[in-house]
Order: sequence, then structure tokens, then C-alpha cells
Amino acid sequence: DGGITQSPKYLFRKEGQNVTLSCEQNLNHDAMYWYRQDPGQGLRLIYYSQIVNDFQKGDIAEGYSVSREKKESFPLTVTSAQKNPTAFYLCASSMGANTEAFFGQGTRLTVV
Amino acid sequence: QKEVEQNSGPLSVPEGAIASLNCTYSDRGSQSFFWYRQYSGKSPELIMSIYSNGDKEDGRFTAQLNKASQYVSLLIRDSQPSDSATYLCAVNTGGGNKLTFGTGTQLKVEL
Repeated sequence: DGGITQSPKYLFRKEGQNVTLSCEQNLNHDAMYWYRQDPGQGLRLIYYSQIVNDFQKGDIAEGYSVSREKKESFPLTVTSAQKNPTAFYLCASSMGANTEAFFGQGTRLTVV
Repeated sequence: QKEVEQNSGPLSVPEGAIASLNCTYSDRGSQSFFWYRQYSGKSPELIMSIYSNGDKEDGRFTAQLNKASQYVSLLIRDSQPSDSATYLCAVNTGGGNKLTFGTGTQLKVEL
């Protein structure tokens, strides 16, 4: 069953803690993306990666970090430096540049 | 200027009418354009992609692209209550490696 899997679906974090969101795909896609969505807002790009071991900052990378050690996996770490981390986080993947992207089901992160 | 702009709405149309959603973009080098539908609390779902000037039809959906005017639109014919959602326009920018979204237009189809 091909697709993009994000886990967990809901995540609670205490202030000052780092937390890592998982994103795995079995579509053999080269490109992967992380977005943040706040209530009533569009998607803002955090990081993206076109190939393994390479990634670029998006529009709101401060306070986040990523790695791309495997083609299938693109985990996102929300660090304590991110001042307003409560949001809906979405991972997507695509074949590559200028191709359609497909999304996982998202992770809803809440800071308590 | 935002890279991708949409009217946030809400856009209200009666059931059975045509809904027209619009999007403008700033990167003249963009080559690929997408429309996603997002229901409340869910992740976006791809409904249309368009790569060349003109119209592309898929069922009740028609995407229109005008690269000279940097404008892309989505028409939904015979609108149904189940079409009520937020519609996101997405454009490949930065040489094609970035996928940039607009803020979305909320569509309400009324009985």
C-alpha cells in the first residue's frame, strides 16, 4: 500500500523540549517537503530536499532542522528555538522538480 | 509581493452553479501549477495539475493557465455541497525545486 506516512498524528511537547516528527514514503520519490499550517492559513515551506543527503531551507526554517539520510525518510526536528511551534505539520513528496506532490495525513503539534 | 496569491474568500455559490477560483503568481519561470482541495482538519488532496497555456478538463473541474498574465484558475461546474472546502493553488518556483502555496480560498456551496 503505497503512500506517505507521518507519525504521530498528535504530539504534545513541553516548552523547551526538542521533538522529532517522522515522515516516510514508499513511492520511490526523490523530492520531499515539510510545511507548516496555522489555523485559517495556507502552507508555509520549512525545508525541502530534492535528493538524498541534500536539503534546502524554505521560507520559515528558523527553529527547525531536518536530515535526509535515506530516500524514504525526511524527519523534521522542532527545536526549542522555535518560538511558536503549535501548528499542523505536513510532509509531502514528489518525483522531482516540477512534478505533482502528495501529502501525508499530517502531525498536529501542541506545546503545553 | 507574495509568490502565490489567492483571494481568501469565503466564496459562496448555490448548489449547481459554477465556482470560479483564481490565483496569480510572481515567478515568470514557473512551469507547473497545481490545485489542491483541503477539508477542515485534513491534509491537502491534489485535484488538478496544469503545465501549458490553455484549459485542462477533468470531470467537473477545469484548470486554466495564462502564463503571459501569470494567472491560473479553477472552475468547478455543477457545484455540490461536498465541494465545500479550502482550495489551495500551488506553483513550482525557484527553478522548479520549491513548491509554493497560496493562502487558499474557502468555498461554500449552499443548498
